[in-house]
Amino acid sequence: NAGVMQNPRHLVRRRGQEARLRCSPMKGHSHVYWYRQLPEEGLKFMVYLQKENIIDESGMPKERFSAEFPKEGPSILRIQQVVRGDSAAYFCASSPKVVTTYEQYFGPGTRLTVT
Amino acid sequence: EDQVTQSPEALRLQEGESSSLNCSYTVSGLRGLFWYRQDPGKGPEFLFTLYSAGEEKEKERLKATLTKKESFLHITAPKPEDSATYLCAVQESPGNTGKLIFGQGTTLQVKP
Repeated sequence: NAGVMQNPRHLVRRRGQEARLRCSPMKGHSHVYWYRQLPEEGLKFMVYLQKENIIDESGMPKERFSAEFPKEGPSILRIQQVVRGDSAAYFCASSPKVVTTYEQYFGPGTRLTVT
Repeated sequence: EDQVTQSPEALRLQEGESSSLNCSYTVSGLRGLFWYRQDPGKGPEFLFTLYSAGEEKEKERLKATLTKKESFLHITAPKPEDSATYLCAVQESPGNTGKLIFGQGTTLQVKP
Protein backbone atom coordinates (compact mmCIF):
# COMPACT_ATOMS: atom_id res chain seq x y z
CA ASN A 1 0.00 0.00 0.00
CA ALA A 2 2.16 2.82 -1.30
CA GLY A 3 1.98 6.14 0.47
CA VAL A 4 2.03 9.59 -1.09
CA MET A 5 4.83 9.79 -3.63
CA GLN A 6 6.70 12.92 -4.58
CA ASN A 7 9.40 13.47 -7.13
CA PRO A 8 11.99 14.59 -7.46
CA ARG A 9 13.14 14.43 -3.85
CA HIS A 10 15.74 17.11 -4.46
CA LEU A 11 15.70 19.75 -7.17
CA VAL A 12 18.29 22.40 -7.92
CA ARG A 13 17.39 25.29 -10.19
CA ARG A 14 19.12 28.49 -11.16
CA ARG A 15 17.34 31.78 -10.75
CA GLY A 16 14.91 32.34 -13.61
CA GLN A 17 14.40 28.66 -14.42
CA GLU A 18 11.19 26.70 -13.98
CA ALA A 19 10.59 24.08 -11.30
CA ARG A 20 8.04 21.27 -11.64
CA LEU A 21 7.17 19.22 -8.59
CA ARG A 22 5.07 16.07 -8.89
CA CYS A 23 2.79 14.36 -6.42
CA SER A 24 0.95 11.03 -6.68
CA PRO A 25 -1.65 10.65 -3.90
CA MET A 26 -2.27 7.48 -1.95
CA LYS A 27 -4.35 4.86 -3.69
CA GLY A 28 -8.02 5.68 -3.33
CA HIS A 29 -7.38 9.32 -2.46
CA SER A 30 -8.78 12.01 -4.70
CA HIS A 31 -7.86 15.16 -2.79
CA VAL A 32 -4.42 16.72 -2.91
CA TYR A 33 -2.92 19.55 -0.86
CA TRP A 34 0.38 21.36 -1.29
CA TYR A 35 2.26 22.91 1.62
CA ARG A 36 5.53 24.80 1.79
CA GLN A 37 8.04 24.73 4.63
CA LEU A 38 10.52 27.58 4.48
CA PRO A 39 13.74 27.30 6.50
CA GLU A 40 13.04 27.90 10.18
CA GLU A 41 9.33 28.34 9.50
CA GLY A 42 6.28 26.15 9.90
CA LEU A 43 4.27 24.39 7.24
CA LYS A 44 2.08 26.77 5.24
CA PHE A 45 -0.89 25.74 3.13
CA MET A 46 -0.67 26.65 -0.54
CA VAL A 47 -3.43 24.98 -2.54
CA TYR A 48 -6.08 22.27 -2.42
CA LEU A 49 -7.09 20.37 -5.53
CA GLN A 50 -9.44 17.65 -6.60
CA LYS A 51 -9.27 15.99 -9.97
CA GLU A 52 -9.39 18.73 -12.63
CA ASN A 53 -10.45 21.35 -10.07
CA ILE A 54 -8.73 23.88 -7.86
CA ILE A 55 -10.80 24.12 -4.69
CA ASP A 56 -8.79 26.58 -2.61
CA GLU A 57 -5.67 28.45 -3.71
CA SER A 58 -5.74 31.05 -0.97
CA GLY A 59 -2.18 30.25 0.12
CA MET A 60 -0.65 30.34 -3.33
CA PRO A 61 1.51 33.33 -4.28
CA LYS A 62 -0.30 35.36 -6.94
CA GLU A 63 2.53 35.27 -9.45
CA ARG A 64 4.77 32.53 -10.84
CA PHE A 65 3.07 29.67 -8.98
CA SER A 66 0.44 27.34 -10.44
CA ALA A 67 -0.94 23.91 -9.64
CA GLU A 68 -2.94 21.29 -11.43
CA PHE A 69 -4.35 17.83 -10.83
CA PRO A 70 -5.36 16.37 -14.18
CA LYS A 71 -7.81 13.55 -14.73
CA GLU A 72 -4.89 11.25 -15.42
CA GLY A 73 -1.48 11.47 -13.82
CA PRO A 74 0.05 13.19 -10.82
CA SER A 75 -0.62 16.61 -9.39
CA ILE A 76 1.97 19.17 -10.45
CA LEU A 77 3.12 22.31 -8.67
CA ARG A 78 4.83 24.61 -11.12
CA ILE A 79 7.05 27.53 -10.19
CA GLN A 80 8.10 29.81 -13.03
CA GLN A 81 11.16 32.06 -12.96
CA VAL A 82 12.32 30.81 -9.59
CA VAL A 83 14.01 33.17 -7.13
CA ARG A 84 16.18 32.36 -4.11
CA GLY A 85 13.24 32.94 -1.78
CA ASP A 86 11.50 29.94 -3.35
CA SER A 87 14.09 27.62 -1.77
CA ALA A 88 12.10 25.45 0.60
CA ALA A 89 10.69 21.99 1.19
CA TYR A 90 7.42 21.44 -0.67
CA PHE A 91 5.13 18.77 0.72
CA CYS A 92 2.14 17.16 -0.85
CA ALA A 93 -0.61 15.54 1.19
CA SER A 94 -3.64 13.54 0.20
CA SER A 95 -6.94 12.55 1.78
CA PRO A 96 -9.88 10.44 0.73
CA LYS A 97 -12.56 12.96 1.61
CA VAL A 98 -13.07 16.44 3.02
CA VAL A 99 -16.78 16.72 3.76
CA THR A 100 -16.15 15.25 7.17
CA THR A 101 -12.85 15.64 8.93
CA TYR A 102 -10.22 13.35 7.53
CA GLU A 103 -6.55 13.32 8.26
CA GLN A 104 -4.09 14.20 5.53
CA TYR A 105 -1.19 11.91 4.72
CA PHE A 106 2.02 13.56 3.67
CA GLY A 107 4.65 12.62 1.16
CA PRO A 108 8.42 12.82 1.78
CA GLY A 109 8.66 16.25 0.19
CA THR A 110 10.68 17.89 -2.57
CA ARG A 111 13.55 20.07 -1.44
CA LEU A 112 14.01 22.89 -3.88
CA THR A 113 17.26 24.81 -3.90
CA VAL A 114 17.57 27.92 -6.06
CA THR A 115 21.12 28.99 -6.82
CA GLU B 1 -6.56 35.85 12.57
CA ASP B 2 -6.44 32.10 13.07
CA GLN B 3 -3.44 31.05 15.05
CA VAL B 4 -1.82 27.90 16.35
CA THR B 5 0.91 28.23 18.98
CA GLN B 6 3.02 25.39 20.29
CA SER B 7 5.15 25.36 23.41
CA PRO B 8 7.84 24.82 24.30
CA GLU B 9 9.80 25.31 21.07
CA ALA B 10 12.33 22.74 22.20
CA LEU B 11 12.33 20.12 24.94
CA ARG B 12 15.12 17.91 26.20
CA LEU B 13 14.22 14.90 28.31
CA GLN B 14 16.08 12.02 29.81
CA GLU B 15 14.88 8.60 28.79
CA GLY B 16 11.92 7.70 30.99
CA GLU B 17 11.18 11.31 31.99
CA SER B 18 7.54 12.00 31.15
CA SER B 19 6.35 15.41 29.96
CA SER B 20 3.71 17.25 27.93
CA LEU B 21 3.69 19.39 24.81
CA ASN B 22 1.14 22.16 24.45
CA CYS B 23 -0.81 23.42 21.44
CA SER B 24 -3.10 26.40 21.87
CA TYR B 25 -5.35 27.57 19.07
CA THR B 26 -7.69 30.38 18.15
CA VAL B 27 -10.08 29.65 15.30
CA SER B 28 -13.62 30.73 14.73
CA GLY B 29 -14.75 27.12 14.74
CA LEU B 30 -12.82 23.88 15.14
CA ARG B 31 -13.47 21.01 12.80
CA GLY B 32 -10.50 18.94 13.97
CA LEU B 33 -7.10 19.12 15.63
CA PHE B 34 -4.26 16.99 14.30
CA TRP B 35 -0.94 15.87 15.72
CA TYR B 36 1.94 14.90 13.44
CA ARG B 37 5.49 13.74 14.00
CA GLN B 38 8.23 14.94 11.66
CA ASP B 39 11.73 13.48 11.51
CA PRO B 40 14.55 15.49 9.92
CA GLY B 41 14.39 15.42 6.13
CA LYS B 42 11.05 13.62 6.07
CA GLY B 43 7.39 14.45 5.67
CA PRO B 44 5.00 14.76 8.62
CA GLU B 45 3.68 11.43 9.89
CA PHE B 46 0.09 11.40 11.07
CA LEU B 47 -0.46 10.56 14.77
CA PHE B 48 -3.91 11.63 15.98
CA THR B 49 -7.09 13.52 15.14
CA LEU B 50 -9.23 15.03 17.91
CA TYR B 51 -12.66 16.46 17.19
CA SER B 52 -14.26 17.69 20.40
CA ALA B 53 -13.33 18.93 23.86
CA GLY B 54 -12.78 16.09 26.30
CA GLU B 55 -11.64 13.65 23.66
CA GLU B 56 -8.48 11.61 24.27
CA LYS B 57 -6.49 9.27 22.04
CA GLU B 58 -3.51 7.06 22.78
CA LYS B 59 -0.80 5.36 20.80
CA GLU B 60 2.04 3.58 22.55
CA ARG B 61 3.75 6.18 24.77
CA LEU B 62 1.74 9.10 23.37
CA LYS B 63 -1.60 10.43 24.56
CA ALA B 64 -3.38 13.42 23.05
CA THR B 65 -6.09 15.41 24.79
CA LEU B 66 -8.27 18.32 23.71
CA THR B 67 -9.98 21.23 25.45
CA LYS B 68 -11.84 24.16 23.93
CA LYS B 69 -8.68 26.21 23.56
CA GLU B 70 -5.75 23.83 23.61
CA SER B 71 -4.44 20.34 23.15
CA PHE B 72 -1.76 18.43 25.00
CA LEU B 73 0.48 15.66 23.78
CA HIS B 74 1.60 13.65 26.79
CA ILE B 75 4.70 11.51 26.42
CA THR B 76 5.06 8.80 29.03
CA ALA B 77 8.46 7.26 29.71
CA PRO B 78 9.93 8.46 26.41
CA LYS B 79 12.67 6.61 24.55
CA PRO B 80 15.41 8.07 22.31
CA GLU B 81 13.43 6.98 19.24
CA ASP B 82 10.69 9.42 20.25
CA SER B 83 13.07 12.27 19.38
CA ALA B 84 11.45 14.29 16.58
CA THR B 85 9.54 17.49 15.90
CA TYR B 86 5.90 17.26 16.90
CA LEU B 87 3.49 19.38 14.89
CA CYS B 88 -0.01 20.47 15.82
CA ALA B 89 -2.50 21.60 13.16
CA VAL B 90 -6.14 22.68 13.13
CA GLN B 91 -8.82 22.47 10.50
CA GLU B 92 -11.42 25.15 10.88
CA SER B 93 -15.15 25.20 10.29
CA PRO B 94 -17.30 26.20 8.61
CA GLY B 95 -15.64 25.70 5.31
CA ASN B 96 -14.84 22.80 3.08
CA THR B 97 -11.27 23.43 2.02
CA GLY B 98 -9.54 20.95 4.28
CA LYS B 99 -6.78 23.47 4.84
CA LEU B 100 -4.58 22.68 7.85
CA ILE B 101 -3.13 25.53 9.90
CA PHE B 102 0.12 24.40 11.51
CA GLY B 103 1.97 25.55 14.59
CA GLN B 104 5.72 25.99 14.58
CA GLY B 105 6.32 22.65 16.24
CA THR B 106 8.07 21.38 19.35
CA THR B 107 11.43 19.71 18.82
CA LEU B 108 11.85 16.90 21.32
CA GLN B 109 15.20 15.34 22.16
CA VAL B 110 15.27 12.29 24.40
CA LYS B 111 18.67 11.37 25.76
CA PRO B 112 19.51 7.81 26.81
